Amino acid sequence: GDSVTQMEGPVTLSEEAFLTINCTYTATGYPSLFWYVQYPGEGLQLLLKATKADDKGSNKGFEATYRKETTSFHLEKGSVQVSDSAVYFCALSSNDYKLSFGAGTTVTVRA
Amino acid sequence: DAMVIQNPRYQVTQFGKPVTLSCSQTLNHNVMYWYQQKSSQAPKLLFHYYDKDFNNEADTPDNFQSRRPNTSFCFLDIRSPGLGDAAMYLCATSQDDLGAGETQYFGPGTRLLVL
Repeated sequence: GDSVTQMEGPVTLSEEAFLTINCTYTATGYPSLFWYVQYPGEGLQLLLKATKADDKGSNKGFEATYRKETTSFHLEKGSVQVSDSAVYFCALSSNDYKLSFGAGTTVTVRA
Repeated sequence: DAMVIQNPRYQVTQFGKPVTLSCSQTLNHNVMYWYQQKSSQAPKLLFHYYDKDFNNEADTPDNFQSRRPNTSFCFLDIRSPGLGDAAMYLCATSQDDLGAGETQYFGPGTRLLVL
């Protein structure tokens, strides 16, 4: 079945540092890939997505590229802020109503 | 703004006492979902509705039920909450199935505490 493997956290960074969160997937067919962010005490918000190979999703300075050859969708941001402290979930969907989530990576950015 | 609304944000119930969580949406989406999220874990899909068509995940306990009386509202009923049901419950919507990159929109969640 479909699955997502995400870099384990927690990750602690200083402000303006570079952030990478690795995500790899296993799926049949051609899934769509997502990054969701969850701020403390809140629901999930879509951060970015990509629907086909080589697509790059981007939002709020975050980027991720759909790499079919390596089955990866790594999240990057060049300069993080304290406000980026959150839990980040990588997810995929195929032709149904189910998102397969990774375990989540907690990111803490220190001033 | 169009959105997914969950009430209440925090719910306290007693062991074994039925509880209902509410979700409404102004997006007019066809699909509504309920997820359970325990601390430091990924959300786990309980069930979803496509319009009035109910779809239960195979491993969702019978203790969890749902109702969708109209397009805008969906309810999660926990018939006899146990201590293990304490969690954040997330409602989400999408216009259609997720296969073509359709986005799911999540509500802020209801945190359930069982005493």
